[in-house]
Amino acid sequence: GAVVSQHPSRVICKSGTSVKIECRSLDFQATTMFWYRQFPKQSLMLMATSNEGSKATYEQGVEKDKFLINHASLTLSTLTVTSAHPEDSSFYICSARADLIYGYTFGSGTRLTVV
Amino acid sequence: QKEVEQNSGPLSVPEGAIASLNCTYSDRGSQSFFWYRQYSGKSPELIMSIYSNGDKEDGRFTAQLNKASQYVSLLIRDSQPSDSATYLCAVNMSAGNKLTFGGGTRVLVKP
Repeated sequence: GAVVSQHPSRVICKSGTSVKIECRSLDFQATTMFWYRQFPKQSLMLMATSNEGSKATYEQGVEKDKFLINHASLTLSTLTVTSAHPEDSSFYICSARADLIYGYTFGSGTRLTVV
Repeated sequence: QKEVEQNSGPLSVPEGAIASLNCTYSDRGSQSFFWYRQYSGKSPELIMSIYSNGDKEDGRFTAQLNKASQYVSLLIRDSQPSDSATYLCAVNMSAGNKLTFGGGTRVLVKP
């Protein structure tokens, strides 16, 4: 139980374009999902908390107009990287918490490369 | 002071030995603690969660929590080469339900 699906797993885009990443909870409802970014040889850094039916909460230093988050249903959150630049190249991972037993489950991650 | 601290390693362990990983946290009100394993290029996978002081065992893994000392550890018994990975300590701090991660400890198990 407590499976989180994330797509795409890998994407290459041109500088200036936008990329959408989807995160789905497959066997549970998630009122809250979390989006992380991980640069090489670094730990996970929380970007924002996605709340179903309301605005996302962004961590300090994360541009909300650049990283658009939509959590329109209890099983789907999307992260759109707008006007992507090479410095946005990173490993983006979503997470959700089913319950106390399973803890926080992570999606498989999306490797974004901006060229 | 970082909110969650881990020794970055690498921690080199002979196959069959015990690997001991440590983690300290700053928020005394933290309630939930997690250990994740992350292979290179992959997302983290949950190994253990612990909520109460003391030890919790699951197979070859034992988590230990000491809230008074703000310290959580992970022991890996009978280490295998497949245990070579980065181990992330994560804490659910008192403010909100988000996880805060340590920098991770890289473990290398040598045959």
